[in-house]
Amino acid sequence: SQQGEEDPQALSIQEGENATMNCSYKTSINNLQWYRQNSGRGLVHLILIRSNEREKHSGRLRVTLDTSKKSSSLLITASRAADTASYFCAAGGSNYKLTFGKGTLLTVNP
Amino acid sequence: GAVVSQHPSRVICKSGTSVKIECRSLDFQATTMFWYRQFPKQSLMLMATSNEGSKATYEQGVEKDKFLINHASLTLSTLTVTSAHPEDSSFYICSAGGKVDTQYFGPGTRLTVL
Repeated sequence: SQQGEEDPQALSIQEGENATMNCSYKTSINNLQWYRQNSGRGLVHLILIRSNEREKHSGRLRVTLDTSKKSSSLLITASRAADTASYFCAAGGSNYKLTFGKGTLLTVNP
Repeated sequence: GAVVSQHPSRVICKSGTSVKIECRSLDFQATTMFWYRQFPKQSLMLMATSNEGSKATYEQGVEKDKFLINHASLTLSTLTVTSAHPEDSSFYICSAGGKVDTQYFGPGTRLTVL
């Protein structure tokens, strides 16, 4: 299956700034999920937005979904050095199946 | 919260040998588990979907005879890389289906084939 695209591929910001990552996908979806991965580790689920939702918040995270454009964005506000990681979007289809994007490597400098 | 473990976390083997990786859901039952492969600085590629009590469903291009998957119970799925070669070196991650639409990921297994 085809993967989505995230942009930017890499993002470097200063602590306290906001970080925005975008994701596009190609197939129809039930939901769109965002995950975080620290180097060499497994994935941590951050947030899920359903196909009938347009925006969702969780703590410092804000996710938007535009199904007409097949795109989503993840905003991390007031970033911290501990937010440094790779962030992946995943298009959720039927039967739990996920199709991952290529990821954005976020570096938050202290 | 739902916890998924993988064992081993790292394995180094010689070319031609077989390696088994275990994926366990520790505090919930998972009818469906997934196996992914991730090359350095790349995304996760789904290899196969493992259903308890039935044959795994492999993604296009994944050799089922090379990557043997067994899902014998609701808490355990195994991936065996048979006759491993250096090009099989990768990071293998499993996940287990929990609540609707949610997957819980294991910590991954780093396989290095010499």
